[in-house]
Amino acid sequence: DAGVIQSPRHEVTEMGQEVTLRCKPISGHDYLFWYRQTMMRGLELLIYFNNNVPIDDSGMPEDRFSAKMPNASFSTLKIQPSEPRDSAVYFCASSFGFSSYEQYFGPGTRLTVT
Amino acid sequence: DAKTTQPTSMDCAEGRAANLPCNHSTISGNEYVYWYRQIHSQGPQYIIHGLKNNETNEMASLIITEDRKSSTLILPHATLRDTAVYYCIVREQGAQKLVFGQGTRLTINP
Repeated sequence: DAGVIQSPRHEVTEMGQEVTLRCKPISGHDYLFWYRQTMMRGLELLIYFNNNVPIDDSGMPEDRFSAKMPNASFSTLKIQPSEPRDSAVYFCASSFGFSSYEQYFGPGTRLTVT
Repeated sequence: DAKTTQPTSMDCAEGRAANLPCNHSTISGNEYVYWYRQIHSQGPQYIIHGLKNNETNEMASLIITEDRKSSTLILPHATLRDTAVYYCIVREQGAQKLVFGQGTRLTINP
């Protein structure tokens, strides 16, 4: 298996533009997570899905952020409009089963908003 | 908020055992201790987890004190590739959220 796949790996955009980050979880996994990592706040969970349904979005910073999972093999995290403070590395992770002890992380997308 | 306390940084010589401590004094009876690590510019990677017994796998050993208020991750023969930030996390079985603290930055020196 190729593991969790994220695209793009790097994204540079101007303030005010829409940004879409993409994630393909490991086949068969039923949980999908979006994390954000910054120097100031460390690694924090934004939202997670179970069977394509959002379960906990309490970590989503504000209405500018939205996440979708239209099917079991694809998820997007969208920021509209983007701001410089959104600059971070965004990780997607997936896991299998309610009692899973391991989340598998993707390589991340480094977002820079100028 | 993270429920664990770890030293900010540690150094270890290559080939020696690296012992990374973690305090989790408020851990409850149904919470497990998990360890992840993050090598520079990569996503976090699961290492090991345990409830109350010591655990060992191909990567590391986990020693949990009898009162479960602290634990130690042991990398028996550290290599340069073990240089990373190591996160100790407590989580209930079945809970999905991983709450990462600041972790310990482990540097393996040649």
